[in-house]
Amino acid sequence: NAGVMQNPRHLVRRRGQEARLRCSPMKGHSHVYWYRQLPEEGLKFMVYLQKENIIDESGMPKERFSAEFPKEGPSILRIQQVVRGDSAAYFCASSPGQGNEQYFGPGTRLTVT
Amino acid sequence: DQQVKQNSPSLSVQEGRISILNCDYTNSMFDYFLWYKKYPAEGPTFLISISSIKDKNEDGRFTVFLNKSAKHLSLHIVPSQPGDSAVYFCAASELRGSSNTGKLIFGQGTTLQVKP
Repeated sequence: NAGVMQNPRHLVRRRGQEARLRCSPMKGHSHVYWYRQLPEEGLKFMVYLQKENIIDESGMPKERFSAEFPKEGPSILRIQQVVRGDSAAYFCASSPGQGNEQYFGPGTRLTVT
Repeated sequence: DQQVKQNSPSLSVQEGRISILNCDYTNSMFDYFLWYKKYPAEGPTFLISISSIKDKNEDGRFTVFLNKSAKHLSLHIVPSQPGDSAVYFCAASELRGSSNTGKLIFGQGTTLQVKP
């Protein structure tokens, strides 16, 4: 039973480019969460999605960031026009239902040069 | 506004002894609490959780205690093993309406070192 998959594991982008981070939840999980961890800090919630629906995006910056979880395929976190401050580890988690424990992927480490 | 706080950045214990990691929270609407372990360059691994209707939950070497009146929870690991050396995060979930939203609020983490 494969765990949560994230790719790429490492991503380097120049300022102004776009970053696309992918997350495939555990089999049987239809709830996906994205978190960001800045250096020396804890994880911060960004967005919570179910298939084709954004349930809670209260932690998502209003500009440049978007997320989707289509009917088919992985969840995508998209960051447009990246800036140095976007450099962080981005973790995806999934759960079988709302309010259950969340299982995390290995993360994507984004570096903006 | 840090709603979940882990005030000890690090903890060192001897192998075989008990490790006690602490966590405080400020939001009285939190009703579900979790502990995660994280190794460098990996994602957090779920360890144990507790609902606010309980004050203790045990799973093998791991026990979580919840003191709602003090808004405090702790994770006990006994006996501690060198492989337990990692960063430990506590997390809490907000109650909205009749169910959790699923959003987890994390503390800053405590680095545990278990010496052989």
